[in-house]
Amino acid sequence: QQQVKQSPQSLIVQKGGISIINCAYENTAFDYFPWYQQFPGKGPALLIAIRPDVSEKKEGRFTISFNKSAKQFSLHIMDSQPGDSATYFCAASKAAGSYQLTFGKGTKLSVIP
Amino acid sequence: DSGVTQTPKHLITATGQRVTLRCSPRSGDLSVYWYQQSLDQGLQFLIQYYNGEERAKGNILERFSAQQFPDLHSELNLSSLELGDSALYFCASSAREGDSTDTQYFGPGTRLTVL
Repeated sequence: QQQVKQSPQSLIVQKGGISIINCAYENTAFDYFPWYQQFPGKGPALLIAIRPDVSEKKEGRFTISFNKSAKQFSLHIMDSQPGDSATYFCAASKAAGSYQLTFGKGTKLSVIP
Repeated sequence: DSGVTQTPKHLITATGQRVTLRCSPRSGDLSVYWYQQSLDQGLQFLIQYYNGEERAKGNILERFSAQQFPDLHSELNLSSLELGDSALYFCASSAREGDSTDTQYFGPGTRLTVL
């Protein structure tokens, strides 16, 4: 059972455009939703994260939008750059117990000049 | 650089063999998580240790085991290896327990190839 569903699998965006990646979850026990960025040959690195008590969080060109009632959240990358080309993973962890991350399957983003 | 180190970077071995993957967490971090990344399953949580004690288990096979030592480094032991165990294995560390927002910092991974 896939607890965090991520789409699309791959995304091609022109330089300067907006990249949008969507995730949906089922488990209402999740209370922390980070996005990780992974470059080839590297480990995932935290990009931005949100708690369900806010609907949006912005850090530079990266914004998370969160819809608690729909159990959906998304990553928007504004003014996408070729250096943003990487695989992006949404994830979720629970409020109590172990804080292991449950990951989506990933989105491979290619930003073309 | 996340501050988490993993060795070896690459490991090639044969079916039926046993290997040990090593992880050193960031300085001061007490919690270590192990994840497996494969093309078909994505990133999956295996097991977590906190200050030497096992805290949680995920989709970890019985052929796999782990431990965290007094100096906080951790080892993941994989035995009776099968072709399907070929994957990237990541460890991540975090500082505290009791905070779901505590960032997990990932190491560069160990790529295991079972022939």
